[in-house]
Amino acid sequence: GQQLNQSPQSMFIQEGEDVSMNCTSSSIFNTWLWYKQDPGEGPVLLIALYKAGELTSNGRLTAQFGITRKDSFLNISASIPSDVGIYFCAGHLLTSGTYKYIFGTGTRLKVLA
Amino acid sequence: DGGITQSPKYLFRKEGQNVTLSCEQNLNHDAMYWYRQDPGQGLRLIYYSQIVNDFQKGDIAEGYSVSREKKESFPLTVTSAQKNPTAFYLCASSRKWGVNQPQHFGDGTRLSIL
Repeated sequence: GQQLNQSPQSMFIQEGEDVSMNCTSSSIFNTWLWYKQDPGEGPVLLIALYKAGELTSNGRLTAQFGITRKDSFLNISASIPSDVGIYFCAGHLLTSGTYKYIFGTGTRLKVLA
Repeated sequence: DGGITQSPKYLFRKEGQNVTLSCEQNLNHDAMYWYRQDPGQGLRLIYYSQIVNDFQKGDIAEGYSVSREKKESFPLTVTSAQKNPTAFYLCASSRKWGVNQPQHFGDGTRLSIL
């Protein structure tokens, strides 16, 4: 079945550094979503991307919908301690006659003050 | 504030017991979803509902059941047939079902076996 490869799996960075993570797949998607999840909580939607090449920002976060529609990346600029958490992507596609989201396995971010 | 409320936050199940997880939304969304989250894995779809009085099986529906009698409510029952129920369960909703519909999540219910 379809799957999303999300990398890196985890990363430690210093406060103030920029962070980059991405999701890739062999499938073509019509929507990309990026979420952040804190321990024991539900995912919170950060950015939604709806067309190939789209570049969207939300504060210090910037995400892009890849031109091939098979990938997306998320950048966080000037990281702060509250950026700690798990970030994961979700790609939306039509498969077997139904729409569904495929979710990445997450990037665990730890910020060192 | 509008949102998705899941309850309880923690739930324990005994062997052979059915348990029901509650999901309520006041966003006036048509579509609702149940996902299961296990460590190191992406979310997996259990059931979804495109509109009230309708629901469809997702990728891992065996051992689960749902109902959608009201637009705002989509409860999930974990039956005794689900042999590995320990997981974090997430309910989500979207304005409509289909393309360009971001999903919004509740805060989850963690189910454990006694």
